Amino acid sequence: AQRVTQPEKLLSVFKGAPVELKCNYSYSGSPELFWYVQYSRQRLQLLLRHISRESIKGFTADLNKGETSFHLKKPFAQEEDSAMYYCALTTRGAGSYQLTFGKGTKLSVIP
Amino acid sequence: ETGVTQSPTHLIKTRGQQVTLRCSSQSGHNTVSWYQQALGQGPQFIFQYYREEENGRGNFPPRFSGLQFPNYSSELNVNALELDDSALYLCASSPRTSGSGDTQYFGPGTRLTVL
Repeated sequence: AQRVTQPEKLLSVFKGAPVELKCNYSYSGSPELFWYVQYSRQRLQLLLRHISRESIKGFTADLNKGETSFHLKKPFAQEEDSAMYYCALTTRGAGSYQLTFGKGTKLSVIP
Repeated sequence: ETGVTQSPTHLIKTRGQQVTLRCSSQSGHNTVSWYQQALGQGPQFIFQYYREEENGRGNFPPRFSGLQFPNYSSELNVNALELDDSALYLCASSPRTSGSGDTQYFGPGTRLTVL
């Protein structure tokens, strides 16, 4: 069964400091990994997906299959980055493309 | 382009009752997924509908059922409500194409409280 683990419930960093939100997964097949973000009073929205290999709002994430990790990083945190972040994975090529989410990490950027 | 909408926003029911939640998918999307998000947890997959057929189901009992209509809107029905069904119910739509997992776009959710 697939599983996503986000070890930190809450992460507080100062503005301008580097950010790393951890995500580990377990899945025997070839996973597709995502980071979703939920800003205050907004809906859940996609931040980035590993196959795109793009940087969104300064965030990047690299899939490390050896360590089964997909950590989210940003070199300099901004106050507007404060939000709830969810790591998720989905199977590829299956009949349905369900997302399995971690429990989320709340990022708080201190001015 | 209209995003995913859900109704109602909030709902209060009592144990044993039945509830129907509604979702309108984003324009051009033919796949709808439903998720349950309990307090302090990540969303948990309930099931997915593609072209009006259930196309995958998570670990939820049969009293959770759904429908998808020809216009790709969807309903989630829950019978015999239990206290643990209290949660935020999220609908997500995607423009599923054959053989790939597309980005899912989420609605704002329906907050269900079971007393």
